[in-house]
Amino acid sequence: DTAVSQTPKYLVTQMGNDKSIKCEQNLGHDTMYWYKQDSKKFLKIMFSYNNKELIINETVPNRFSPKSPDKAHLNLHINSLELGDSAVYFCASSQGDEWETQYFGPGTRLLVL
Amino acid sequence: GEDVEQSLFLSVREGDSSVINCTYTDSSSTYLYWYKQEPGAGLQLLTYIFSNMDMKQDQRLTVLLNKKDKHLSLRIADTQTGDSAIYFCAESIVRNTGKLIFGQGTTLQVKP
Repeated sequence: DTAVSQTPKYLVTQMGNDKSIKCEQNLGHDTMYWYKQDSKKFLKIMFSYNNKELIINETVPNRFSPKSPDKAHLNLHINSLELGDSAVYFCASSQGDEWETQYFGPGTRLLVL
Repeated sequence: GEDVEQSLFLSVREGDSSVINCTYTDSSSTYLYWYKQEPGAGLQLLTYIFSNMDMKQDQRLTVLLNKKDKHLSLRIADTQTGDSAIYFCAESIVRNTGKLIFGQGTTLQVKP
């Protein structure tokens, strides 16, 4: 009965590689988000999609590309990984006019070596 | 501007009340939130308050909002060891986008 799930849970990779993180929600929500939490626990929004349409795109390097194949999935692809990309990435979702009540996934811990 | 600040650490004894404070800068905030993050886990929505309210109570949790001072607090009554976690304050400032601005989190340590 997982609400918001992410894969993988842990990701260790070399600098310069390309990797993807997947997110799925079974809550029937129509809006999904990606957040980045750095080593100091600071949490910042990166993107949001509503019904597969990009709504929020914060000042994120264009090495990061979100893709929403349907409203239940929002994947994050990262090209040419850098050391500074090491962080925990959280996916979240919300429903309709309750934009602000967001449900978070368990996080993907990315370590770039 | 968009800024949310919290103190980084709070330590209390089991059974005491905990009060976690937060200040924000944007007076156009519509909702203000408290999220809880346990070690190795995602964020869990604890409670939220609409900006035209002063107080909201939900079992052991009491949220107080002072809009004039842009100050939000979360009081946890009868704090238990299971309440040990990081607590994030967040504000919603842009209507109908879901954009939340988070504070840096307050680590609550509950000693037995």
